[in-house]
Amino acid sequence: DIVMTQTPLSLSVSPGQPASISCRSSQSLLHSDGKTYLYWYLQKSGQSPQLLIYEVSKRFSGVPDRFSGSGSGTDFTLKISRVEAEDVGVYYCMQSKQLPVTFAGGTKVEIK
Amino acid sequence: QIQLEQSGTEVKKPGASVTVSCKASGYTFTNYAISWFRQAPGQGLEWMGWASGYSSHTNYAQKFRGRVTLTTDVSTDTAYMELRSLRFDDTAVYYCARDLSGSYYFGFWFDPWGQGTLVTVSS
Repeated sequence: DIVMTQTPLSLSVSPGQPASISCRSSQSLLHSDGKTYLYWYLQKSGQSPQLLIYEVSKRFSGVPDRFSGSGSGTDFTLKISRVEAEDVGVYYCMQSKQLPVTFAGGTKVEIK
Repeated sequence: QIQLEQSGTEVKKPGASVTVSCKASGYTFTNYAISWFRQAPGQGLEWMGWASGYSSHTNYAQKFRGRVTLTTDVSTDTAYMELRSLRFDDTAVYYCARDLSGSYYFGFWFDPWGQGTLVTVSS
């Protein structure tokens, strides 16, 4: 199975400040079809996960442009340019290059 | 509005089985597969498997193979997850999610997710 690892485990950010979360995979997520199957989800407290970013850097419908994803191969980053109160929750990166689909352990983001 | 509505909370004894349903609305059910996940208390997300929205094709995580059955009913636009031989460590919130990929073996991505169903295994 592909192991996904995120850092940091938690992040406390002042409103309006940037935040960055790193995600690393145990093997390259670049598929032979040329796509890289790395995704970012946010799970707010008591809610289901919601899709933020697909295929490394593509923002899903309705996701604010303060969220951006980057990276390649085994190293990926989610950045929030200016954190807002509604961004608190646990962020997960996920791979689906091969089954089983696997998630990293998550990064909890809170507001200072 | 695209939605997945899951069945309610379950409390089961060890060794029993549980079936969770996931009713889809707002889209053509047969155009998308449904995946199932679970999240133990205070823990992360775990993918359990995938079921086609239009055929009997399924794919299970090795960990759950033989103990879980995923099905879809196109007549009611509903997906089902049956987990058997329940253990205490099966206590978790179980989620269904629509798979947007159209693929069978890779590239899965999920939106939306159901609201979650808490399954508690307790003697």
